Amino acid sequence: EIVMTQSPATLSVSPGERATLSCRASQSVSTNLAWYQQQPGQAPRLLFYGASTRATDIPARFSGGGSGTDFTLTISSLQSEDFAVYYCQQYNNWPRTFGQGTKVEIK
Amino acid sequence: EVQLVESGGGLVKPGGSLRLSCATSGFTFNSHSLTWVRQAPGKGLEWVSSISSSSSYIYYADSVKGRFTISRDNAKNSLSLQMNSLRAEDTAVYYCARSWTSFEYWGQGTLVTVSS
Repeated sequence: EIVMTQSPATLSVSPGERATLSCRASQSVSTNLAWYQQQPGQAPRLLFYGASTRATDIPARFSGGGSGTDFTLTISSLQSEDFAVYYCQQYNNWPRTFGQGTKVEIK
Repeated sequence: EVQLVESGGGLVKPGGSLRLSCATSGFTFNSHSLTWVRQAPGKGLEWVSSISSSSSYIYYADSVKGRFTISRDNAKNSLSLQMNSLRAEDTAVYYCARSWTSFEYWGQGTLVTVSS
């Protein structure tokens, strides 16, 4: 099983600032990596697939990158609606696996 | 508009059974694989099971293998998850999602609570 490790667990950021989230795979997943945002009480929302391809209606302030084992999600200027939990997920191998999540909170 | 709506959750005793359903609309059902993902209270996301468009390929997480059965009815545009021998650690919100790679479309989830 591929273990996905996200860091940090919690990121405290002020509105308007930049946030960088990391996701590391225990073995290469190529670019078969997705990012999700989850607000409390809601289903996850797909942000990126293929590591860097933005999903439908995702604002340009979000960017994704990386390949192999190391991936990043960057939010260039945090808006109030961006404070949430973010998960990475690999779909290169079975079983599909998620990272444990990074909570982005207001500083 | 793509829609997925889960149902069938509830309170069940350890060792009991429950069948979840996911009704779908807004897309060509028999062209897409489908997946169940769960989330225990206050915890992260856990992939549970996926099924191919024709049911030819089925995958399970080790944590549910032998206890859960995924199935689909392409005539009724619905997905199911039969859960047997339920344990306390199966308590979670269960989501159905379209695809088995990245998940763009999700249902709202149904809560399963396993407790005596």
